[in-house]
Order: sequence, then C-alpha cells, then structure tokens
Amino acid sequence: DGGITQSPKYLFRKEGQNVTLSCEQNLNHDAMYWYRQDPGQGLRLIYYSQIVNDFQKGDIAEGYSVSREKKESFPLTVTSAQKNPTAFYLCASSIGEARANVLTFGAGSRLTVL
Amino acid sequence: QKEVEQDPGPLSVPEGAIVSLNCTYSNSAFQYFMWYRQYSRKGPELLMYTYSSGNKEDGRFTAQVDKSSKYISLFIRDSQPSDSATYLCAMSVNTGNQFYFGTGTSLTVIP
Repeated sequence: DGGITQSPKYLFRKEGQNVTLSCEQNLNHDAMYWYRQDPGQGLRLIYYSQIVNDFQKGDIAEGYSVSREKKESFPLTVTSAQKNPTAFYLCASSIGEARANVLTFGAGSRLTVL
Repeated sequence: QKEVEQDPGPLSVPEGAIVSLNCTYSNSAFQYFMWYRQYSRKGPELLMYTYSSGNKEDGRFTAQVDKSSKYISLFIRDSQPSDSATYLCAMSVNTGNQFYFGTGTSLTVIP
C-alpha cells in the first residue's frame, strides 16, 4: 500500500544535539511538508518542498533544516538552535499542482528533549 | 482573525448519537475542504474531502460545504466508541502549497 513512513516514532535528545527525522513516501507525490503539532496550537508549517532540490521555509523554520535530494525523501533535522523542540512532528505530501490539493500524513515522530 | 476557526470541544456523546462537527473560514478562495481524524499519538488520517461546495457522503460520514456562509460541517451518524478521536478540518485553494487547519475538536463517544 502507498503511504508515508516516518521514523523513528519516538526519539529522545539531549540538549545541544542535532537529530534527524526521516520521511519517505511511495505515493509519487511531488510536494512534501513538515508540520509541528503542539497541544492546543494546531499544526504549524516548518518547511515544504514542491520539487527535488528545492524547498521553502514555512511559518516556524528557525532551528530546523531540510533536504530534498530524492522525490521520495524529505528528512528534517532539528538543530540545537531550536529552543523548544519537544513536539509531535508530522510529515505530509500532496500530489502537486492542478490535482486534488489535499494532504496525506505520516504516523508522526514524537521528539522529547531531556 | 484566524483563517480557519474550529471549536476545540471537548464533545462527549452517547453511542448511536448523530455528531455534528463544524468549522468556519474567512478566505473565499478556498476550494478544497478536508476532514481528518486523529487518534491519540497518531498522524491525521484523511476521512473525506470535497471540492467547492455541496455534500459528500461516505458510509456514516457526511461532509457539507456552504460557501455562502463560509461554513463546513462533518456529520457522523450512529456514532461508535471507535469514532472517539480529534477531528481536524483543513482547507486549501485550487493549487499551491498553503493549507489552513482548524485546531481540532476532541470527540468522545460513550458506550
């Protein structure tokens, strides 16, 4: 079945460490996204990418970095510059322009800073 | 004013009840209207989406869009305990990469 795979499901980080969250999709979608979900705050966009080797900052990009070297993959690095990284991180994809503009989500990765 | 407003609840109903979940929005350019169900500690699952206005039905779920009132609804008939989750509405324009989310409504269906 097609879908989005995020790993790891749970991750613990010490302060000052960078961590990378993996996101792989086999839906052949062009666009991919990273969202952060905090209780009571809804979903906030970190980064998105419409095509390989291109990505744009979302509303809360500070302290995060991404790459898009392959269409299927969009990893997110949470750097030590992110002041409050404990959150639930969601990767999503959409088919791209001129098609049904809806999002498909992965199962999420829970990051906890110790 | 937020682009999308959604009552966070919590909403608690007895099993078998009809549930009505709603969102309002301010941007008349929105064309795609999505409903997601999110169980605790899981990713949101797309339940239904509609394009432009009108109704869409899928089993016990019905999505309605009223563009004149900028109001969307999700109805759940014969609600089940397994429907207990947070329901998120989301919207987008025809193309592009901007998606706008409600904050979610927490629903509990009591057996």
